[in-house]
Amino acid sequence: KAGVTQTPRYLIKTRGQQVTLSCSPISGHRSVSWYQQTPGQGLQFLFEYFSETQRNKGNFPGRFSGRQFSNSRSEMNVSTLELGDSALYLCASSRAGTRDEQYFGPGTRLTVT
Amino acid sequence: TQLLEQSPQFLSIQEGENLTVYCNSSSVFSSLQWYRQEPGEGPVLLVTVVTGGEVKKLKRLTFQFGDARKDSSLHITAAQPGDTGLYLCAGPSGTYKYIFGTGTRLKVLA
Repeated sequence: KAGVTQTPRYLIKTRGQQVTLSCSPISGHRSVSWYQQTPGQGLQFLFEYFSETQRNKGNFPGRFSGRQFSNSRSEMNVSTLELGDSALYLCASSRAGTRDEQYFGPGTRLTVT
Repeated sequence: TQLLEQSPQFLSIQEGENLTVYCNSSSVFSSLQWYRQEPGEGPVLLVTVVTGGEVKKLKRLTFQFGDARKDSSLHITAAQPGDTGLYLCAGPSGTYKYIFGTGTRLKVLA
């Protein structure tokens, strides 16, 4: 069965712009989590969605937001981009989220100039 | 705040050597996971350990969960170039999220 897909794979934006990233989970998975990965901070949790509801949120500013659609696909949005937002953004899907195994997508590499 | 510290941070070894990577915390975890991430890809789950003292084997990889469930180790026997990558441990934090370790970057030279 198809894995987690993320689009786009690479993105270059300018400071102040906004960006939307997309994640399609594995068929049948209802939970989608988003993570930011940087060389300095490692892999950090952004938020998790289940059945179109945000269930948990990491310690990121309000410029980072997300949503989930009825087909479990998820998007995350970053507004007013800063240079420090340059990172690999990963999404992971699981059946129901609670202690289930997570399967990661290949990520979206965002570069802010 | 729960933290997962991994050591060593970097490791470069010759093919055929053995190595051990450590994942330590001052907090108790109900389970710990190990992932391997290759450049340009997302992490791939290798194993989940859930019982204190548990040992799991995956071919040449041996994973152990500490008795007190505060630490875990990954031992690779006879490392191969295909083992090269970033190794991450992760544990559940709260109900719906995971925290990840600082990572160990392994390079196996042919």
